[in-house]
Amino acid sequence: GAVVSQHPSWVICKSGTSVKIECRSLDFQATTMFWYRQFPKQSLMLMATSNEGSKATYEQGVEKDKFLINHASLTLSTLTVTSAHPEDSSFYICSALRGYEQYFGPGTRLTVT
Amino acid sequence: RKEVEQDPGPFNVPEGATVAFNCTYSNSASQSFFWYRQDCRKEPKLLMSVYSSGNEDGRFTAQLNRASQYISLLIRDSKLSDSATYLCVVNRPASGTYKYIFGTGTRLKVLA
Repeated sequence: GAVVSQHPSWVICKSGTSVKIECRSLDFQATTMFWYRQFPKQSLMLMATSNEGSKATYEQGVEKDKFLINHASLTLSTLTVTSAHPEDSSFYICSALRGYEQYFGPGTRLTVT
Repeated sequence: RKEVEQDPGPFNVPEGATVAFNCTYSNSASQSFFWYRQDCRKEPKLLMSVYSSGNEDGRFTAQLNRASQYISLLIRDSKLSDSATYLCVVNRPASGTYKYIFGTGTRLKVLA
């Protein structure tokens, strides 16, 4: 199969702190990974496309200085939420591309207090 | 109008029933098509890619109609465990790369 892990699965942090989320493809290499956010009862919202060895491409309205993405290897992409605020509380999900198919990580539930 | 449209449902069906979902897409350059299922508070899981010739996996059958620009998912002999939201995803060219467009999902409830 195609397994993608995400860590941590949930995190609670204080307002103003930064949180790093890791996304790993465990049994395949992924040149491209995606980061999504999902609010309760809403659709997935693409935040950015992460390409190994190059800068991420951010969707309109997503602040690249706030959501830092690093894709330093073919199996790891990280998303850092900097200076988190309560409105950043959400379910963050990554996916890794194998061929044309996206395989999703289990998600990270972020709560900012 | 959304680029990928799905009926949000919910579709409430009894166990054992056959249920079908459609998904329409507006961009004729769309190239790859997928069905995912997403359980509440979980990540989407790939159910099947949809090929031009149609494909079947057990109780699930997916069809693609390029002329009318829709894909369908048929679930036979519904189980309680099929209750989930089914997401239609379409891949198309965009600015020299590809973009994946998600439908908002169709909610299925299989009732005992």
